[in-house]
Amino acid sequence: GAGVSQSPSNKVTEKGKDVELRCDPISGHTALYWYRQSLGQGLEFLIYFQGNSAPDKSGLPSDRFSAERTGGSVSTLTIQRTQQEDSAVYLCASSSQGGRYEQYFGPGTRLTVT
Amino acid sequence: QQQVKQSPQSLIVQKGGISIINCAYENTAFDYFPWYQQFPGKGPALLIAIRPDVSEKKEGRFTISFNKSAKQFSLHIMDSQPGDSATYFCAALNQAGTALIFGKGTTLSVSS
Repeated sequence: GAGVSQSPSNKVTEKGKDVELRCDPISGHTALYWYRQSLGQGLEFLIYFQGNSAPDKSGLPSDRFSAERTGGSVSTLTIQRTQQEDSAVYLCASSSQGGRYEQYFGPGTRLTVT
Repeated sequence: QQQVKQSPQSLIVQKGGISIINCAYENTAFDYFPWYQQFPGKGPALLIAIRPDVSEKKEGRFTISFNKSAKQFSLHIMDSQPGDSATYFCAALNQAGTALIFGKGTTLSVSS
């Protein structure tokens, strides 16, 4: 079946603009994760959704970052008032259940803030 | 307490040699330790994973060795091939079971 898909694959935006990144998880996967990958910081956890439970937002770096998951499937990560330090690859992953199950990663969205 | 430390940062191995990457963690509550492989332009993909109730797990040419008392684990790639050239990340599942905490990664280059 199809893997995790993300769109857009690349996004260039001006400092101060808002951006939305989309993730389509593997069908039937109840858990969804967002991570950020940058040269200096490696892979960092951002947010976790599991079914109808309250999301774990502990990794969001500031209140400019938010995410939602509609209908238990598609997720959108929104970054408001983007800053240059937000430039990174944003990776989405899904797993069949919680974190102890294999996380399947999408190809990522490369965000460049100019 | 939430960190996973990985070394070396980069590694060059000859074809047919053994590649060894090491990781260490602090939090004894961590109970799931996967290794991910990432090729340029792709997302990470699970290679092999281990839980702390076993000391070693082998899948093909890839072996995880786990030392619970030392809070260390390592990946061994036997008979390394040029196709193994990639970035490798160790990780640990956080105490809440909601996120992976990744090491900084090791870039492996296997020369032919």
